[in-house]
Amino acid sequence: AQSVTQLDSQVPVFEEAPVELRCNYSSSVSVYLFWYVQYPNQGLQLLLKYLSGSTLVKSINGFEAEFNKSQTSFHLRKPSVHISDTAEYFCAVRLPPGTYKYIFGTGTRLKVLA
Amino acid sequence: DVKVTQSSRYLVKRTGEKVFLECVQDMDHENMFWYRQDPGLGLRLIYFSYDVKMKEKGDIPEGYSVSREKKERFSLILESASTNQTSMYLCASSSSGTGGETQYFGPGTRLLVL
Repeated sequence: AQSVTQLDSQVPVFEEAPVELRCNYSSSVSVYLFWYVQYPNQGLQLLLKYLSGSTLVKSINGFEAEFNKSQTSFHLRKPSVHISDTAEYFCAVRLPPGTYKYIFGTGTRLKVLA
Repeated sequence: DVKVTQSSRYLVKRTGEKVFLECVQDMDHENMFWYRQDPGLGLRLIYFSYDVKMKEKGDIPEGYSVSREKKERFSLILESASTNQTSMYLCASSSSGTGGETQYFGPGTRLLVL
C-alpha cells in the first residue's frame, strides 16, 4: 500500500537560515508528488508539485523540492527562511490516472525564530 | 480567484445531534473531497465525489455520509455526532484529468462535539 512519511513533526529554525523538510513515500508504481502549506487558521494551498520531467521543481516564494526516485524522496528546501514561512507543510502523493485519492503525510510544523 | 467556501469556521454541537457541513466551489470542478485533520495524523480522507450524485468512501467513512446534488456543492453529514468527531474538517476540490491536478482547499470548519 502507498504511504507518505514526514519524519519531523516540528522543525524550529532561525530566520535567514536554510531548512529542509523531509518526505519519503512508498509506492510500487509511479506517483505524482505535492507539497502543500497551511498557514495559521487557513486551509491548505499548493506550494509545488512534481509530475514528470525535471526532478527539481521550484515555487514562487523560494522553496524547491527534488524528486529522487531511487530514494523515494521528495524533500523540500529553502536556502533562507523568513518569519512569514512559519506554517505547517504537508507532503502528498497521488497515484496515476484511474484513482482520485491523494495520500497525505502527517505534516511538519516549521517555526521560524527571530 | 478560485474559491472554496465552507459554511462555518467554528461549530459547537451536542452528542447525538445531526450536523451538516457545507462546501461550495466556484471553479466548476468535477472532484470534491472531505478530509478530517487531527494533530499528528495529518489529513485523512472521509469521502470524495467525482460527479454529481456520485460518491466513494475514503479511509474513515464510518459515522459520516455525504450528499452532492449539485456540481458546486458537497455536504458532509454527521448522522449522530460523537465526541470523537471533534476535529478540523477540510473540504477540497479539483478538476479531472491525468492526476496532477491541484486540490483547492476551503478554510476549514473546526467542530467541537460536547
